[in-house]
Amino acid sequence: GENVEQHPSTLSVQEGDSAVIKCTYSDSASNYFPWYKQELGKRPQLIIDIRSNVGEKKDQRIAVTLNKTAKHFSLHITETQPEDSAVYFCAAGGTGGFKTIFGAGTRLFVKA
Amino acid sequence: KAGVTQTPRYLIKTRGQQVTLSCSPISGHRSVSWYQQTPGQGLQFLFEYFSETQRNKGNFPGRFSGRQFSNSRSEMNVSTLELGDSALYLCASSLAQGLNTGELFFGEGSRLTVL
Repeated sequence: GENVEQHPSTLSVQEGDSAVIKCTYSDSASNYFPWYKQELGKRPQLIIDIRSNVGEKKDQRIAVTLNKTAKHFSLHITETQPEDSAVYFCAAGGTGGFKTIFGAGTRLFVKA
Repeated sequence: KAGVTQTPRYLIKTRGQQVTLSCSPISGHRSVSWYQQTPGQGLQFLFEYFSETQRNKGNFPGRFSGRQFSNSRSEMNVSTLELGDSALYLCASSLAQGLNTGELFFGEGSRLTVL
């Protein structure tokens, strides 16, 4: 079945450094790749998404890249701040599948 | 605009009992998805409903079921509860205007503890 693998499970960085989270997906029909941020005790919220006809998308300090051939996509956070500390989930959705499959999550710690 | 509302927020049940969780989507959203969240497992897809029809379901046993009403509100039911069913159950709604669900708007979840 469809699967999304996410690495690393935990990531600790110093404030101001960059953080990179990588995901791979198994279903070649996937064409929508969102990233969600879940702060402690709160609901997941979309922070950025990318569709399969785009290789890269940037929004201020965050960017996503997609390699459809390799079925890889990544989240890049630059100039990290303590408020970036949270669990980040990558996900994949397919045309007509009407479901979004999530990775297991990456717990990001940004040390001040 | 009100967000996704889930009730109850917390509940404790014993093994063998059943439970029903409710989700009211954002007004105008016709797609409702349910996820089970446990530590280390991320968000596991349970099922998705649109216009009262289940369009997809995840790999969960038949004890997990759901439905959607004409006003897009959705319920999920878990029968014969097991200890492993203890989790946060998240509901998410979306516009689903395209051929996939698009951005999901999550509720705060229903935290189920099975003793």
